Amino acid sequence: QVQLKESGPGLVQPSETLSLTCTVSGFSLTSNSVHWVRQPPGKGLEWMGIIRSGGSTDYNSALKSRLSISRDTSKSQVFLKMNSLQTEDTAIYYCTRSSDYWGQGVMVTVSS
Amino acid sequence: DIVMTQGALPNPVPSGESASITCQSSKSLLHSNGKTYLNWYLQRPGQSPQLLIYWMSTRASGVSDRFSGSGSGTDFTLKISSVEAEDVGVYYCQQFLEYPRTFGGGTKLELK
Repeated sequence: QVQLKESGPGLVQPSETLSLTCTVSGFSLTSNSVHWVRQPPGKGLEWMGIIRSGGSTDYNSALKSRLSISRDTSKSQVFLKMNSLQTEDTAIYYCTRSSDYWGQGVMVTVSS
Repeated sequence: DIVMTQGALPNPVPSGESASITCQSSKSLLHSNGKTYLNWYLQRPGQSPQLLIYWMSTRASGVSDRFSGSGSGTDFTLKISSVEAEDVGVYYCQQFLEYPRTFGGGTKLELK
């Protein structure tokens, strides 16, 4: 069955780089797009970016200068890297397959 | 970016009553192919978002027929007939016509 699972550090220092991994199963990354979406505590959803089946990417313009999404199709993994983290980047980070299947999310806290 | 604006519900909603959630987009989501590029999600407390409706009015797999979507190019409604306890949570609309894929701010449904 289709599954996505996010993993990464729960705590990141301000100004440092966040690295998250989305490990998928039940579908191929070469046939499906994967998005990253985040949600600050108690707030709404923010679309961050996409990596398409062909490997091209698109990013939220507000995050574009800090954000990078890549993948390793052989490992069925999608990666998110975001630099210069601030406290406002504290959120639950989700990966999702074209909106129909979502991971459980990973909470990331930016704090010293 | 396309701005998505959601209306509020007159909470709490009595169990068994119907509820309608509105969403407005700053640009028409009606494509020349005749499809309207709008999703609806439900995020239950403590859970990941769940896709309810796509293409404005098509129910996702396994979604109850108590949920229905309708609208025009810029004004949309999600109707829940006979609200039940499992419907409690926050509802989000999202446009997927253009990048970035923007979400509405969310509409909370509480049960009486």
